[in-house]
Amino acid sequence: AAGVIQSPRHLIKEKRETATLKCYPIPRHDTVYWYQQGPGQDPQFLISFYEKMQSDKGSIPDRFSAQQFSDYHSELNMSSLELGDSALYFCASSRKLRYEQYFGPGTRLTVT
Amino acid sequence: SQQGEEDPQALSIQEGENATMNCSYKTSINNLQWYRQNSGRGLVHLILIRSNEREKHSGRLRVTLDTSKKSSSLLITASRAADTASYFCAMGDRDDKIIFGKGTRLHILP
Repeated sequence: AAGVIQSPRHLIKEKRETATLKCYPIPRHDTVYWYQQGPGQDPQFLISFYEKMQSDKGSIPDRFSAQQFSDYHSELNMSSLELGDSALYFCASSRKLRYEQYFGPGTRLTVT
Repeated sequence: SQQGEEDPQALSIQEGENATMNCSYKTSINNLQWYRQNSGRGLVHLILIRSNEREKHSGRLRVTLDTSKKSSSLLITASRAADTASYFCAMGDRDDKIIFGKGTRLHILP
């Protein structure tokens, strides 16, 4: 079965650079969630989209923005990167709100 | 905040034994989910239990939910080496946002 696709899988950036992470949800899933997981930490909810509209916002820094496109894929844009942004970034998708979330493999971002 | 507390933080058991992990939360939930994560990998959804359910089974997994105590437990029976992973509970609130607990690191000894 098709799963959530994230790209790139690994990304190395320098401080103050920008990064764009992409997420392709499972077909027919209309809701996308973004999470950040630091080393040894639990996943922290960043932001979610339902039918291309932002549905909820968590601990997403102002330097980050995200959107969901007409084909339901989503992009997380990160600017003015800081060392503390180094983490695993997961995207999850679900079919409508209130359904279990299916996670992608994650993008490992390293900021040097 | 809604963040769950998991207990224990780490658990080592012999292969074949049962493993029990607990999760407590603070406010009302719509559902509670359990996820497994192998080191550095994505989270795998294990089971979802809704707030009006008390127990749910899936293969070797049994999840209970006690909304009066605001707690849930995940039981893995007849553990295997492949069960070694971190296990997270995640609380779904009425706005459908899910908040993860701190996780339990389970290590199955051969």
